[in-house]
Order: sequence, then C-alpha cells, then structure tokens
Amino acid sequence: KQEVTQIPAALSVPEGENLVLNCSFTDSAIYNLQWFRQDPGKGLTSLLLIQSSQREQTSGRLNASLDKSSGRSTLYIAASQPGDSATYLCAVWLVQGAQKLVFGQGTRLTINP
Amino acid sequence: DTAVSQTPKYLVTQMGNDKSIKCEQNLGHDTMYWYKQDSKKFLKIMFSYNNKELIINETVPNRFSPKSPDKAHLNLHINSLELGDSAVYFCASSQGHHSDLYEQYFGPGTRLTVT
Repeated sequence: KQEVTQIPAALSVPEGENLVLNCSFTDSAIYNLQWFRQDPGKGLTSLLLIQSSQREQTSGRLNASLDKSSGRSTLYIAASQPGDSATYLCAVWLVQGAQKLVFGQGTRLTINP
Repeated sequence: DTAVSQTPKYLVTQMGNDKSIKCEQNLGHDTMYWYKQDSKKFLKIMFSYNNKELIINETVPNRFSPKSPDKAHLNLHINSLELGDSAVYFCASSQGHHSDLYEQYFGPGTRLTVT
C-alpha cells in the first residue's frame, strides 16, 4: 500500500529565506508526482507536476525534484514571501491498482514578514 | 472564470438527514472526482467518474451515492448523515484518468458539519 509522508508537518521561516519541503513515498511505481498548495478554507491549487520520467520541474520561484528510485521529492521555494504562507501537499499517481492520487498530510508553511 | 465550482460552500445539518453537494466543471474534462478531507487534513479519494461512468469507489459507505448526469457534473448525495461524515468535501476534474500527463483541478470545497 502506497504511503506518502511529508516532513516537516509545519515550518515557520523569515521572509526572504530559501526553503525546502520534503515528500517521501513508499512505492516507486508511480506515474507522476504533483505538488499542491492549499490556502485556509480554500481548495487546492496545482503548483507543479513531475512525470515519472522527469527529474525536476520549475515554475517561477518554485522548483520540484523527483528521485523515484529513492521515493523522494523536494519542493524548493526561493526568496520566500508572506504570500507563500499556505499548506503544501504532495501526491503521487499510482501505477498499480486503482488510478488515483494518494496524498501526504501536508506541510503548513508560515512566512514571517 | 471558475473552473471547478461546488455548492454549497458550507452545509450544517443534523444527524439522520439526507443532503446533496453539487459540482460542475467548465474545463471540458472527462474525469471528475470526489475527495474527503478529514479533521486531520488527510485528503482521500472517494469516487471518480470518467465520461459519466464510475471508475473508482474507495470502499465508501453506500450512504454516499455519486451521480453524474453529464461529464461536466458530478453530484454527491449522502443519506442518513452521521457525525463522522463531518469533513470538507472536494470535487476535482482532469482531462483523463489513464495518462500520467493529467493534472487535477480542485474546487473550493464544501465544509459539511453534522450535529
């Protein structure tokens, strides 16, 4: 059974710092990995999708990497801003069994001005 | 333009009642999903439909019945509501469910509180 774990559960940093969020998964048989952002009381916004054949994806100040063999992904946020404060979720799309996304519990990020 | 919309945004009801949540997407996607996010913020899939056909049913109690009148809509009807049904329910859609290319787009969520 695929399990997705995100560490840390919460992170608070001063504005301007570069930071890394971690995601690990137990079964390397995945189609892709997706990073989402969730703001309080709101839905999820897709940030980056990395296909299983890719090593990384970049969008603006965000860079996500994927090491499928070790079951790890990182989300790097450069020059953090207070507007980056949100919960960040990673999810993997399973190859085996039902076609579905399995989510981690998220990292709650707070950027302090 | 709202890509994936849900109504209502908040729903407060008593145990034993029957309620429905509606979802619509205007992205032209073939696949739609219902997810449940519990109090611990764990997000889990409940159902997925592709072109109005049920693809995934994740061992959800049969008090929950999804209905897809067309591929742009996926409604969730819940019978005999229980306290444990209190959660945030998210609708999502994607272009398809077989390929590794498809991102999922989520609605704003419906916060259901059962008293």
